[in-house]
Amino acid sequence: DTEVTQTPKHLVMGMTNKKSLKCEQHMGHRAMYWYKQKAKKPPELMFVYSYEKLSINESVPSRFSPECPNSSLLNLHLHALQPEDSALYLCASSKGFGTSNEQFFGPGTRLTVL
Amino acid sequence: AQSVAQPEDQVNVAEGNPLTVKCTYSVSGNPYLFWYVQYPNRGLQFLLKYITGDNLVKGSYGFEAEFNKSQTSFHLKKPSALVSDSALYFCAVNNFNKFYFGSGTKLNVKP
Repeated sequence: DTEVTQTPKHLVMGMTNKKSLKCEQHMGHRAMYWYKQKAKKPPELMFVYSYEKLSINESVPSRFSPECPNSSLLNLHLHALQPEDSALYLCASSKGFGTSNEQFFGPGTRLTVL
Repeated sequence: AQSVAQPEDQVNVAEGNPLTVKCTYSVSGNPYLFWYVQYPNRGLQFLLKYITGDNLVKGSYGFEAEFNKSQTSFHLKKPSALVSDSALYFCAVNNFNKFYFGSGTKLNVKP
């Protein structure tokens, strides 16, 4: 299995809702990432987990809460989002936490905040 | 600061012709450079990377990239473009485990 899966594909939520995005990989990768991508823009790093521990938080607002329950699974919990948070949320994984490792991306979750 | 620049928002090429998508970088230390492709409403797909060694790197789908240290460039190339190569291409540098992506270049291959 050489892919990263993300669910749901699309999500529409109100500003008072609580929802979660899920990401899964079965490649034995030990680093996992969340990115936010606006239309026609490059992905922006949000969080990095290495060996199930949060290694990097790019000063992301607390309304985004990541969680890594095990080495194969990565969640992003959403609460009280703003319309400007609407974007494509991409999950990625890599073999390890090293600069030579390429990242493998999932197809993303298209989030719309009303 | 670590960064990559893609000077062209869009590149147009006819099918069968060679294509080049440009990327320049600015890093301290050794550069770890990557190319990714993104099709509409999809995630990014890894094409190739330069870590060390040969300046010409071969990757997926017939793509290759040339690392030029003196010009701090890492241009993506393909000898013969296909219509199916039309997509958004991102150059990236990995520095301290953070990927910094260029702004992206839209490649249009016309039949």
